[in-house]
Amino acid sequence: DTAVSQTPKYLVTQMGNDKSIKCEQNLGHDTMYWYKQDSKKFLKIMFSYNNKELIINETVPNRFSPKSPDKAHLNLHINSLELGDSAVYFCASSHQTGQGTHYGYTFGSGTRLTVV
Amino acid sequence: DAKTTQPTSMDCAEGRAANLPCNHSTISGNEYVYWYRQIHSQGPQYIIHGLKNNETNEMASLIITEDRKSSTLILPHATLRDTAVYYCIVRVTSGNTPLVFGKGTRLSVIA
Repeated sequence: DTAVSQTPKYLVTQMGNDKSIKCEQNLGHDTMYWYKQDSKKFLKIMFSYNNKELIINETVPNRFSPKSPDKAHLNLHINSLELGDSAVYFCASSHQTGQGTHYGYTFGSGTRLTVV
Repeated sequence: DAKTTQPTSMDCAEGRAANLPCNHSTISGNEYVYWYRQIHSQGPQYIIHGLKNNETNEMASLIITEDRKSSTLILPHATLRDTAVYYCIVRVTSGNTPLVFGKGTRLSVIA
């Protein structure tokens, strides 16, 4: 199936640990994103990569480091996890410019991160 | 910051049309109106988008006023599975501008 897939779906970890979330898309899109949805349900853009190049970094702490080995993958590594990092993290992809039948984003199903 | 205003919540009877309004009075000439929805515990899902003309697809219809300062998303026959938060977003389609989500409208479809 064509999709944006993220792993793991759930992640429970202790404060201070380092963890990674993986994202892959097989839609042929050239741009990928990470969004964070906190307990109040606000969805906020964190990062955007176009063809493996970082183009948006929305004042995210340095503990968060996205890595894009190729344009189909955008992984999120988080160092020294804090309680406030608990949230649902969504990966998404799109065509940056107006290619395809629509210019919308396709989102993954999310990774629920709980820091204890 | 989101450039749209939506009601916080709405109810709709199952089988009836759900009409979700959105105000975007500061929309620019090159900005499209997008609608997404987020069903509980899932990622946001693209519904429809438009620039000036009304649009229809298999999911919904989008009615944009002539002055483009507001729009309405119409789900013609709402089902219980349409219960979700619906987001109206305005953005250009090119460049690096990301989707910026506001608070959306929580639509509850009631049996």
